Amino acid sequence: DSGVTQTPKHLITATGQRVTLRCSPRSGDLSVYWYQQSLDQGLQFLIQYYNGEERAKGNILERFSAQQFPDLHSELNLSSLELGDSALYFCASSPLVGTSGNEQFFGPGTRLTVL
Amino acid sequence: AQSVTQLGSHVSVSEGALVLLRCNYSSSVPPYLFWYVQYPNQGLQLLLKYTSAATLVKGINGFEAEFKKSETSFHLTKPSAHMSDAAEYFCAVTTAGGTSYGKLTFGQGTILTVHP
Repeated sequence: DSGVTQTPKHLITATGQRVTLRCSPRSGDLSVYWYQQSLDQGLQFLIQYYNGEERAKGNILERFSAQQFPDLHSELNLSSLELGDSALYFCASSPLVGTSGNEQFFGPGTRLTVL
Repeated sequence: AQSVTQLGSHVSVSEGALVLLRCNYSSSVPPYLFWYVQYPNQGLQLLLKYTSAATLVKGINGFEAEFKKSETSFHLTKPSAHMSDAAEYFCAVTTAGGTSYGKLTFGQGTILTVHP
């Protein structure tokens, strides 16, 4: 158990809908990262937050957005869902703002299926 | 920019045999390198990491990796495979700053199968 929790574990929805994925980092970790894992794209970095502020952005679609709240939990919002958004979404956390050799601790993931 | 190439999407070994999973990286600045393992329906677990200290890094479950700058490689090895090692393994790279700040770039993964 990494100490990172993600809810829900599974999510099934329809095209065009909007969903919210939630992540609670390890106690004391200020950085939260979101990754998408799909069969065709592999593991891709989406976005990073540090202590409530966006710090780095990757291949995140404009239909997707994220935020980190004062209690440090984070939410990833996916809207106007398409079939291709079906994937496993991971949240990870680390103590500091950049990795600088610090490992990222991964949650169990949320499996999103868009029908 | 940084990238990772894992040679071989599938590796199959017999129980007790040497495990060798290959990873080559590309980075314009000194990298930090990681190996993660993913068991079915689970998240990623760190096996080991290289952070510019010793070039031979020992990790959990008997795994180790050697950072070779001249070859831009960070191959993962284990002397004797166990059935429980069957999983997918990911090599990842990041740097301390620049445009790669705060971002892990992963390879495509290698599925390890262990035969009895």
